[in-house]
Amino acid sequence: DSGVTQTPKHLITATGQRVTLRCSPRSGDLSVYWYQQSLDQGLQFLIQYYNGEERAKGNILERFSAQQFPDLHSELNLSSLELGDSALYFCASSVDGVSNYGYTFGSGTRLTVV
Amino acid sequence: AQSVTQPDIHITVSEGASLELRCNYSYGATPYLFWYVQSPGQGLQLLLKYFSGDTLVQGIKGFEAEFKRSQSSFNLRKPSVHWSDAAEYFCAVGAVTGRRALTFGSGTRLQVQP
Repeated sequence: DSGVTQTPKHLITATGQRVTLRCSPRSGDLSVYWYQQSLDQGLQFLIQYYNGEERAKGNILERFSAQQFPDLHSELNLSSLELGDSALYFCASSVDGVSNYGYTFGSGTRLTVV
Repeated sequence: AQSVTQPDIHITVSEGASLELRCNYSYGATPYLFWYVQSPGQGLQLLLKYFSGDTLVQGIKGFEAEFKRSQSSFNLRKPSVHWSDAAEYFCAVGAVTGRRALTFGSGTRLQVQP
């Protein structure tokens, strides 16, 4: 157990729908990162939050949004889902807002869009 | 922009043989470098990291990596591979300034033959 909790582990939904993925960072970590892992794109950075504020944005689609709450858990919202959004979505956390020490990853949410 | 190249998509070695996984990075200054391992259905686990100082870095599970600035490389090695090492390995680069999220390579899948 890495200490980073992601729910749900699996999600199957239809095209056009909206889903919310949840992440609780490791205790004491202030920063949360979201990554998408797909066979053709590899691990793509989506977005980072630090202590409730957006810190960095990567290749995140406009249909996707995220937030970090006061208790530091984070949610990734995916809307108007397309077949191509099927992927593993990872959350990672770190103690600070920089990459010096590496991240701790959760076990991921596997999203299947049918 | 920072980037990482893992030239080998798939490597097969025999149990007990030595292993070297290649990683080349592109970054304008001294980077922070990481190796992660991902077992099937699992999240990514940090094996080792390089910040500065000694260019030979020891990690968990008997892995080590050597930073070679002249070659922009950070290759992962293990003297004797165990069947449990079969997994996907990712090299990642981080930056002190600028974009704060780690950039990952496309991964190398390691298969271990008995």
